Amino acid sequence: DADVTQTPRNRITKTGKRIMLECSQTKGHDRMYWYRQDPGLGLRLIYYSFDVKDINKGEISDGYSVSRQAQAKFSLSLESAIPNQTALYFCATSAQGLSGNQPQHFGDGTRLSIL
Amino acid sequence: AQSVTQPDIHITVSEGASLELRCNYSYGATPYLFWYVQSPGQGLQLLLKYFSGDTLVQGIKGFEAEFKRSQSSFNLRKPSVHWSDAAEYFCAVGTGNQFYFGTGTSLTVIP
Repeated sequence: DADVTQTPRNRITKTGKRIMLECSQTKGHDRMYWYRQDPGLGLRLIYYSFDVKDINKGEISDGYSVSRQAQAKFSLSLESAIPNQTALYFCATSAQGLSGNQPQHFGDGTRLSIL
Repeated sequence: AQSVTQPDIHITVSEGASLELRCNYSYGATPYLFWYVQSPGQGLQLLLKYFSGDTLVQGIKGFEAEFKRSQSSFNLRKPSVHWSDAAEYFCAVGTGNQFYFGTGTSLTVIP
């Protein structure tokens, strides 16, 4: 979905390095999410944000932090990367509907390898 | 606790054959259910969603899904599979604040 852009698309780095993954969206959505995808485990939620001043931990937030710089930007940081954080990372956005369960729209992912 | 189960890790079908991918959910309230497809190297694309009303929902690319409350299921179907349908498919349940995804079913289509 070109409306949700993730940078970089691929990154190889070393253990202990600080890494930032960036996400920007042009959909005008208030809600943004970070997931990681591992083979056989599906997608697991790391953090989510419902507006600029709102940050919430997801299922697997340990070792990660996020920043919501603007409505359109949501970045994910690994302060000190470790090999088991090697995964495919997705950013997603959704509108806030009455039900709160509007579909999520995904970026194309960032493939992160930590050596 | 809410959860989504996709019991089939991998399915292989012949082109032109029918397809059914299974999804079971566990959630105490009225579920909001989704199916997504992921092609290699890409993000997840929404196929269809169920919020309320008619329990048979139509989606893009000729897919449909049926919500069965008594069985806590939301199975995805397609009458005739095309080679381009080869991908990974994810079922998800929305709970207001979060989405919970199944572990996915990988579909292979053979000529």
